[in-house]
Amino acid sequence: DAGVTQSPTHLIKTRGQQVTLRCSPKSGHDTVSWYQQALGQGPQFIFQYYEEEERQRGNFPDRFSGHQFPNYSSELNVNALLLGDSALYLCASSLDGITYEQYFGPGTRLTVT
Amino acid sequence: GESVGLHLPTLSVQEGDNSIINCAYSNSASDYFIWYKQESGKGPQFIIDIRSNMDKRQGQRVTVLLNKTVKHLSLQIAATQPGDSAVYFCAETQGNTPLVFGKGTRLSVIA
Repeated sequence: DAGVTQSPTHLIKTRGQQVTLRCSPKSGHDTVSWYQQALGQGPQFIFQYYEEEERQRGNFPDRFSGHQFPNYSSELNVNALLLGDSALYLCASSLDGITYEQYFGPGTRLTVT
Repeated sequence: GESVGLHLPTLSVQEGDNSIINCAYSNSASDYFIWYKQESGKGPQFIIDIRSNMDKRQGQRVTVLLNKTVKHLSLQIAATQPGDSAVYFCAETQGNTPLVFGKGTRLSVIA
């Protein structure tokens, strides 16, 4: 049973650049949520995709955008990177839009210099 | 591996002792409360959850207690092992609302 996978594992970008992170949900899951985890903090909700639409969004600027594909995989895009965007980006998957049974991937560590 | 949290509250316990990790939540409307374990360089791993209509739930070596009166949640780990060393987060949700995570606690097990 394939768990949640994310790519890449690590990424280093320069301020002002753009980045795309990828997530494949757990087998059988159709909902993907993205979280940002700064060092020493708990994960912060960015947005959720279900049925290829953004269903819920946290308090993040429009520089953060996403997409969900027909196979339920998802991308997170961040434009005009700031130093403060450096964090661990986590993807979590679930079924039918629920959030109490989410399975997390290993994360992508983004460093902005 | 990388550090998940450098300035988190820390709980140090002797191997074999019981651990109790506490969490305060904020939303009275939350219906599900979940404990996650996060090891260095990894994503959060589900441990146990409890619904708001319960006050206690037991799993394998873990027990979660919920006190809705004071909005308090605790995780008890019996016979703590070195493999239990990690950062532990509680999270709350109404079921289809985003997970809201509490401040984590770093558990260090002394062999």
